[in-house]
Amino acid sequence: GENVEQHPSTLSVQEGDSAVIKCTYSDSASNYFPWYKQELGKRPQLIIDIRSNVGEKKDQRIAVTLNKTAKHFSLHITETQPEDSAVYFCAASGGSNYKLTFGKGTLLTVNP
Amino acid sequence: DGGITQSPKYLFRKEGQNVTLSCEQNLNHDAMYWYRQDPGQGLRLIYYSQIVNDFQKGDIAEGYSVSREKKESFPLTVTSAQKNPTAFYLCASSISDSHIYKQYFGPGTRLTVT
Repeated sequence: GENVEQHPSTLSVQEGDSAVIKCTYSDSASNYFPWYKQELGKRPQLIIDIRSNVGEKKDQRIAVTLNKTAKHFSLHITETQPEDSAVYFCAASGGSNYKLTFGKGTLLTVNP
Repeated sequence: DGGITQSPKYLFRKEGQNVTLSCEQNLNHDAMYWYRQDPGQGLRLIYYSQIVNDFQKGDIAEGYSVSREKKESFPLTVTSAQKNPTAFYLCASSISDSHIYKQYFGPGTRLTVT
């Protein structure tokens, strides 16, 4: 089955700096890579996703890049704000259209 | 997301008791999922269902059971066979977007077993 590794497990940045979270996956059949943001005690929220036929996608301060050859994808947050503080999860679809395999999460802290 | 509800938000049970967690969605989504979340462990798939009256085991199905009698509902039963049931349980549903099933989560139920 699919295996997703996520790094780092914790990340602390100063407000206004950029943050980068990286994930690797094992199943070359994976074709969908979403990112979720989870605030303390809340549900995970889908913030951005990318499909395997696209190398990069951007939405305001958030961008995701995908390198299919190396089997890794990354989340980039620019001009970080305190409200960006949360746990971020990456996921990969493996060979299934229905299932997702999640990384273990990155706790991002943005210091004012 | 607002169309996926889980109840109750907090649930307390004694060891040895079975307990059923509710998940309902009014989004007309075909697929539904149950995940378990523990600190530092990410989200682990318990069961999922692609259509009514059909469901498949996920990665950690032992000690859990589900049913899918209606499209809108996917209840999860945590049985006494689950050795460590205290966790945050998340339900999700999804619908096809050009053959990709984007998952959306409910608010979760925090189960504590003592």
